[in-house]
Amino acid sequence: NAGVMQNPRHLVRRRGQEARLRCSPMKGHSHVYWYRQLPEEGLKFMVYLQKENIIDESGMPKERFSAEFPKEGPSILRIQQVVRGDSAAYFCASSSWAATHIGANVLTFGAGSRLTVL
Amino acid sequence: KNEVEQSPQNLTAQEGEFITINCSYSVGISALHWLQQHPGGGIVSLFMLSSGKKKHGRLIATINIQEKHSSLHITASHPRDSAVYICAVCAYGNKLVFGAGTILRVKS
Repeated sequence: NAGVMQNPRHLVRRRGQEARLRCSPMKGHSHVYWYRQLPEEGLKFMVYLQKENIIDESGMPKERFSAEFPKEGPSILRIQQVVRGDSAAYFCASSSWAATHIGANVLTFGAGSRLTVL
Repeated sequence: KNEVEQSPQNLTAQEGEFITINCSYSVGISALHWLQQHPGGGIVSLFMLSSGKKKHGRLIATINIQEKHSSLHITASHPRDSAVYICAVCAYGNKLVFGAGTILRVKS
């Protein structure tokens, strides 16, 4: 059981480029959450996805950011036309359907992807 | 005012000391998490609580739902406990709201 796998661990982009961050949830987990940790700040919720559905994207910036969790493959957080303010650690967490629906909300976090925008 | 407040922000302790980190929240929650984050590292979920008390090794977490308060205790602290400890509450459905974290340093 490899846990929640995030890649890349470190990503450097120039302003205006695109960043794609991937998250493979734990085996058996169908719920994925993305969180952002800006330098010297706390974690903030971005988006909650189930397979092929965005459940809650209230924490996502309105522009340039998108997320998906396709039927096959990892969840992807995509940032278009990156700016310096996007530099942060992006964490993914996953949980199982059962845990979520009984309110257990047991989350397993990935190691994070650190984005640096030059 | 933040919805989740942690105290203290910074804590330095001597090895062996008993440590308490506090978390107060102002929203209705279904669960509260205590997380540990090492420098440059990922996040580990230590506890998830909805009532009462949980213990794992030298770590103890308690929650008082009426008072909207939780504490994380570390007994016989060790330098390897040095990390950021984050309180997060599950509110507004499945969305976590995080405290700012408590930076703990345990000196040998």
